[in-house]
Amino acid sequence: EAGVTQFPSHSVIEKGQTVTLRCDPISGHDNLYWYRRVMGKEIKFLLHFVKESKQDESGMPNNRFLAERTGGTYSTLKVQPAELEDSGVYFCASSQSGTARNEQFFGPGTRLTVL
Amino acid sequence: GDSVTQMEGPVTLSEEAFLTINCTYTATGYPSLFWYVQYPGEGLQLLLKATKADDKGSNKGFEATYRKETTSFHLEKGSVQVSDSAVYFCALSPYGFNKFYFGSGTKLNVKP
Repeated sequence: EAGVTQFPSHSVIEKGQTVTLRCDPISGHDNLYWYRRVMGKEIKFLLHFVKESKQDESGMPNNRFLAERTGGTYSTLKVQPAELEDSGVYFCASSQSGTARNEQFFGPGTRLTVL
Repeated sequence: GDSVTQMEGPVTLSEEAFLTINCTYTATGYPSLFWYVQYPGEGLQLLLKATKADDKGSNKGFEATYRKETTSFHLEKGSVQVSDSAVYFCALSPYGFNKFYFGSGTKLNVKP
């Protein structure tokens, strides 16, 4: 069974440009999460989808970040316009519904560098 | 608010040494606790978990016990190997919620 995949693995952009990160969860997982690790600090929660609906977006830093989950399958996270402080590693995770929901499976992450 | 504090690294050990990585948490109610590991070039992998007080999670020789009285979930291994070199993250998931709170990670280097 394929795990959580993320694309691209690395992205280097200039300040002010737009970047879109993609996450494909494990097939059948209704829950999808985005997290971010900035400069070797703790991994911070950004938001949580249940199917195509945003369940919790309390961790989104500002309105330059837009997340979508088309048809409850893959998800995209767009940063527009990117700022220097957006650099970091963006992780996506997915989990099943029900009692197994606590076990989140993580992707390899996308390393974003804003110059 | 909920949070996790873990010991800063890097931690450097010789092969077969005993490992302890400290993790303490702040949370209301009864969170679930986790250790995740990130090997070089890979994503986060669940190492072990515990969902209630006094539970012991174990996997691949690693162990951690959910201590509510000390709000701790320290990771231990009796004899580390070079292949254990990785970054270890302690995390909690508040009861009734899905999101995780992570510590800042502890890098472990094991030398032959």
